[in-house]
Amino acid sequence: QKEVEQDPGPLSVPEGAIVSLNCTYSNSAFQYFMWYRQYSRKGPELLMYTYSSGNKEDGRFTAQVDKSSKYISLFIRDSQPSDSATYLCAMSLNSGGYQKVTFGTGTKLQVIP
Amino acid sequence: SQTIHQWPATLVQPVGSPLSLECTVEGTSNPNLYWYRQAAGRGLQLLFYSVGIGQISSEVPQNLSASRPQDRQFILSSKKLLLSDSGFYLCAWSTGRGFYEQYFGPGTRLTVT
Repeated sequence: QKEVEQDPGPLSVPEGAIVSLNCTYSNSAFQYFMWYRQYSRKGPELLMYTYSSGNKEDGRFTAQVDKSSKYISLFIRDSQPSDSATYLCAMSLNSGGYQKVTFGTGTKLQVIP
Repeated sequence: SQTIHQWPATLVQPVGSPLSLECTVEGTSNPNLYWYRQAAGRGLQLLFYSVGIGQISSEVPQNLSASRPQDRQFILSSKKLLLSDSGFYLCAWSTGRGFYEQYFGPGTRLTVT
């Protein structure tokens, strides 16, 4: 079993839709949770990060963490064609004095105009 | 503001040839530096990380090596490339206090033929 599971998609939605992207994980030692956005042939860009269970909002993006269920989500409201990208979840734990980050495989999102 | 550079952007090399990929960071001091490889459907695989000049930790045994000759310079090398070394190589940095917030460069797409 992978430590971090993420549906690869692709996920195709119409412009203006609410998008829900999810990851599950198996290691309860993960402390920090992040979402990255990666456009084709580019490096990943950090979107949001959170430490505790609950919601964190930034503009049209909301990150949600449920540590009891080992489940994290990213919601995108009023999705735009420019949101079309691959979204990677990531989570980290303390390993030998540094935070080891484990990434999901990414979900490819396409927002259709 | 901080900037991370990688070069070359793309590279096509024959099997058995050497490799040298370079990464430099501007606008910060004593960053933690990382090399990742991204293969389709497999997510981001951490190859090496460095917390200071000359300090390199390897996560995955392979025919690759890394060096950090200067504070903000990170080099990925190989003496003899294998077909399996093809992929998208990403350099990333983080500050000492926030290992989990990693910022990625634009990447190098390597094709070994």
